[in-house]
Parts: sequence; C-alpha cells; structure tokens
Amino acid sequence: ETGVTQTPRHLVMGMTNKKSLKCEQHLGHNAMYWYKQSAKKPLELMFVYSLEERVENNSVPSRFSPECPNSSHLFLHLHTLQPEDSALYLCASSHGAREVANIQYFGAGTRLSVL
Amino acid sequence: KQEVTQIPAALSVPEGENLVLNCSFTDSAIYNLQWFRQDPGKGLTSLLLIQSSQREQTSGRLNASLDKSSGRSTLYIAASQPGDSATYLCAVTNFGNEKLTFGTGTRLTIIP
Repeated sequence: ETGVTQTPRHLVMGMTNKKSLKCEQHLGHNAMYWYKQSAKKPLELMFVYSLEERVENNSVPSRFSPECPNSSHLFLHLHTLQPEDSALYLCASSHGAREVANIQYFGAGTRLSVL
Repeated sequence: KQEVTQIPAALSVPEGENLVLNCSFTDSAIYNLQWFRQDPGKGLTSLLLIQSSQREQTSGRLNASLDKSSGRSTLYIAASQPGDSATYLCAVTNFGNEKLTFGTGTRLTIIP
C-alpha cells in the first residue's frame, strides 16, 4: 500500500460513453500526476498538477480532461475515447512537482478497455 | 530528447542466481536515476534512487550503479528469489526538467 488509491481498478467502456477515473492520496503531497502505460511502450506522462494548478499537459487529446479539486484528489474525465486509448492509467503523487529530487509514489492503476 | 532503453525486454533465471538488469540513456545530463518495480496489475514501487553525483546505491539484495558519462546504469540482484519476479523499470530526471523519462522495462521471471 503506497498511500495512493485509484478507482476503479478495471473499466470497460464504449466509445460513446463518459466515465471518470479517480485518484486519492493520503501522503500530504502537493503534486499529482497522470501517466498512461500502453503495451510495449514506456510510461507516458499526461498531466501534472502542483498545488491544484495544472503545470504540465503533454499534448494529450481533449477527450481526456483532468480535474484537481484539492491537493488530495485527482480525476481524469473520459469521453468519446478510441480503442487505442486502452491502457493502464497510473496516478502518482509527490511532495513537489518542481523538486527534481522528489520521489513519486504510484497507485495501482486503472486498467481501461475501450470497445 | 532523452531516451531510455532497457535490454533485454524479458529475462528468466533459476532461483538463487545473481543477475544484472541494464538501463541506458542518451542524454547524460541527468539529475538522478531511479529503478522501479512493477508487479502484474499493480502500480510502481520505487526501489533505488541514485543522484548524479553518486556511483551506486544499495538496498538489501539490490545494488544499483550509475555511469553517467557512458549513459548506463545496472541493477544487480543477488541470490534471486521467486518473489523477485516482476517488471523492473528504469527512469531518469534531467536537469531543468522535473519529469521522469521511463524505459520500457525488463520483465524478470525467477524459476523455482
């Protein structure tokens, strides 16, 4: 248990559905991250939030919409996804996004399948 | 643009053997390098972090080395156990860029 909890663990959705992924951290961290892990590809950083402000957006399609209502919660809202969006979505948190020595703590991920 | 490579993609060894996992990176201007472990269906667990000024870090049966000039790191696992079976990921942080750049990982299987 790393202190970072993601729900749901598994999600199957159609291309016309709207769903949300949730991440919660109980570590007192100020920065939270969304990553995408596809088969045979390195982890890709999607979004970074620091003190509830988005500080990084790595050219992610607009069908992915992040939300960070407070420093403990991070959401990823999904709509009109494509089959190639099927992947493991990982959330992480750390003390500070701008601290190069910061260690990120990862959740167990949400396995997303888009039909 | 930093690129991180891990070879081989998969490795199987008998229990009890010592083994080495390899990581290479193209841009040597790194701030630190981390090794992570990922179990099937789980998130990542940080194993070791090496600062650019360090040559190695040790934790139990794990030893990670860093040769920044050649762009290489190794993770040495001594006396391997079936519980060591997992995917091992290497990631670097560059100066001026707080993001982690990950390799694709090595899937390790320890055969009882």
